[in-house]
Amino acid sequence: EDQVTQSPEALRLQEGESSSLNCSYTVSGLRGLFWYRQDPGKGPEFLFTLYSAGEEKEKERLKATLTKKESFLHITAPKPEDSATYLCAVQAARGGADGLTFGKGTHLIIQP
Amino acid sequence: NAGVMQNPRHLVRRRGQEARLRCSPMKGHSHVYWYRQLPEEGLKFMVYLQKENIIDESGMPKERFSAEFPKEGPSILRIQQVVRGDSAAYFCASSRFDSDTEAFFGQGTRLTVV
Repeated sequence: EDQVTQSPEALRLQEGESSSLNCSYTVSGLRGLFWYRQDPGKGPEFLFTLYSAGEEKEKERLKATLTKKESFLHITAPKPEDSATYLCAVQAARGGADGLTFGKGTHLIIQP
Repeated sequence: NAGVMQNPRHLVRRRGQEARLRCSPMKGHSHVYWYRQLPEEGLKFMVYLQKENIIDESGMPKERFSAEFPKEGPSILRIQQVVRGDSAAYFCASSRFDSDTEAFFGQGTRLTVV
């Protein structure tokens, strides 16, 4: 069974204080690892897809990296508007399409 | 370019009633996924549909829940005889192809069973 574990569950940072969120996963063949951002009362907003170990992607203050067992979402010099819950998900490379398996998320608060 | 549209945004049903949740995918997308998010829980996959076909319903409860994606019109998630435990946020996502791993989510329908 595919599993995704995110840590920490919650993280409070000062504005400008860089940090990393962790996503550990087990999956029978990885088709893709996804990062989403979710604001309260909203649907998940797509950030990145990573496909193979060693791959990195960047978007503004966010950078996602991938190894064979985990992914990190690095946040550099965050701003209050980066406050949200960040979700990690995996999709297995099985025959036929499957939905995503999500972690419970990291609730990030950036204080001014 | 409108995103994934879900309605209603909020739905209140009494125990035993039926709930119908609708999802219109993004323009050009023919693959729809339904997820359920319980309080303090992660998103859980329920069902994956293409037009007129259910591809994977491995996450769907065996009883009371059904989904369809007709040739014309939105995808529908139907919950019959709702119980308090069905209270959750239900999200729909769509993608262009099954190999397109960028699925875009709607804003969700928040179902409350009283």
